[in-house]
Amino acid sequence: DVKVTQSSRYLVKRTGEKVFLECVQDMDHENMFWYRQDPGLGLRLIYFSYDVKMKEKGDIPEGYSVSREKKERFSLILESASTNQTSMYLCASGAIAGDAGELFFGEGSRLTVL
Amino acid sequence: AQKITQTQPGMFVQEKEAVTLDCTYDTSDQSYGLFWYKQPSSGEMIFLIYQGSYDEQNATEGRYSLNFQKARKSANLVISASQLGDSAMYFCAMRDSNDMRFGAGTRLTVKP
Repeated sequence: DVKVTQSSRYLVKRTGEKVFLECVQDMDHENMFWYRQDPGLGLRLIYFSYDVKMKEKGDIPEGYSVSREKKERFSLILESASTNQTSMYLCASGAIAGDAGELFFGEGSRLTVL
Repeated sequence: AQKITQTQPGMFVQEKEAVTLDCTYDTSDQSYGLFWYKQPSSGEMIFLIYQGSYDEQNATEGRYSLNFQKARKSANLVISASQLGDSAMYFCAMRDSNDMRFGAGTRLTVKP
């Protein structure tokens, strides 16, 4: 059974803290993604990676960075958390199938920044 | 840049009736894929159906079908014989090359 695992389901952090969100997939997928989901805005792409050590900015990369040192792991980093980063964060992975491959999602990490 | 538009924030349908959820997209690429996902209140993202830009026939998966009109850049999801369990958020998405982008979603409520 395919699996994308996000390390934390719920986090509460303070403004200015550094936050790490971890994501691990067991499907040997080349592509991994980080989205944030907010009511009325759908899923917005923060960053994605198509290979180890490679990353591409999505639509809302400001305030975030990512790390992909191993194929199975993709981390989202908030260098200095702010209250407007309170959101649900979804990690996903997909095979390198051009436009044809669906994404598999983790359960999400709900981050609250106080 | 890609843009996915879902103009219906919320929809209601009577149980056992069919419902169409709208999705339009904008891309300059010739090759792309269109997807629909379901997100129930539990939060998981469930893949429903896929349509490739070069596919001539509309995709179908059980009670789900995708009404693909390439010239109009629309990819509407049709759910036939709605069930109470179909109540959820539905997201349209488009993928070209490696990345995938989503619309704002439509919340479908099935009434008994």
